[in-house]
Amino acid sequence: QLQVQESGPGLVKPSETLSLTCTVSGDSTNENSYFWAWIRQPPGKGLEWIGSISSGGRTFYNPSLKSRVTISDDASRQRFSLNLHSATAADTATYFCARHEADFTASTYFAHWGQGTLVSVSS
Amino acid sequence: SYELTQPPSVSVSPGQTVSIACSGEGLGNKYASWYQKKPGRSPVLVIYMDSQRPAGIPERFSGSNSGNTATLTISGTQVMDEGDYYCQAWDEIIVIFGGGTKLTVL
Repeated sequence: QLQVQESGPGLVKPSETLSLTCTVSGDSTNENSYFWAWIRQPPGKGLEWIGSISSGGRTFYNPSLKSRVTISDDASRQRFSLNLHSATAADTATYFCARHEADFTASTYFAHWGQGTLVSVSS
Repeated sequence: SYELTQPPSVSVSPGQTVSIACSGEGLGNKYASWYQKKPGRSPVLVIYMDSQRPAGIPERFSGSNSGNTATLTISGTQVMDEGDYYCQAWDEIIVIFGGGTKLTVL
């Protein structure tokens, strides 16, 4: 059964880089072919897509965050990283990693999510 | 940029039917998915590709999408269905979520 786990510091100082890792395990069937996404939810607010990465390493970002975001993967495609530069208090949120179904197309949706990790940006 | 609009809140009595709307320009020409979100929990997919129900999701959850509006309907609503519901679509290599609707069952 697929397991998805986010990890990283729970506290980041303003202007520093927020860095998180998503580790995938448990279901290796065709895992290399999936797109993966980072999604966040600020306290009391809604879900916001941050960006996605393809099996070939191609990335797609939310235009509102594009200038500050980098998503990457490792060769095993079992770890995906999120780097959000120049963090501010507005980046305080629970960050989720999720697997795209139906690739990155009009029919895409998210059936598998990590449990999420809360990151606070504060001095 | 493309936007999806949802009512902030809806309420329903247990056992009744409730519908949650998600509006966006030409949304009927795209696919809509729906997620249930409870505090401290990960989102749960309840409807995908407009009207498909994932394994394990009760039959009381159904979806439709036409014109500018996608709709999530819960029939025979149960107290356990209380939570926030988000619609989601894809537009020109961007994933969009609606603002969310808080469903209260009372």
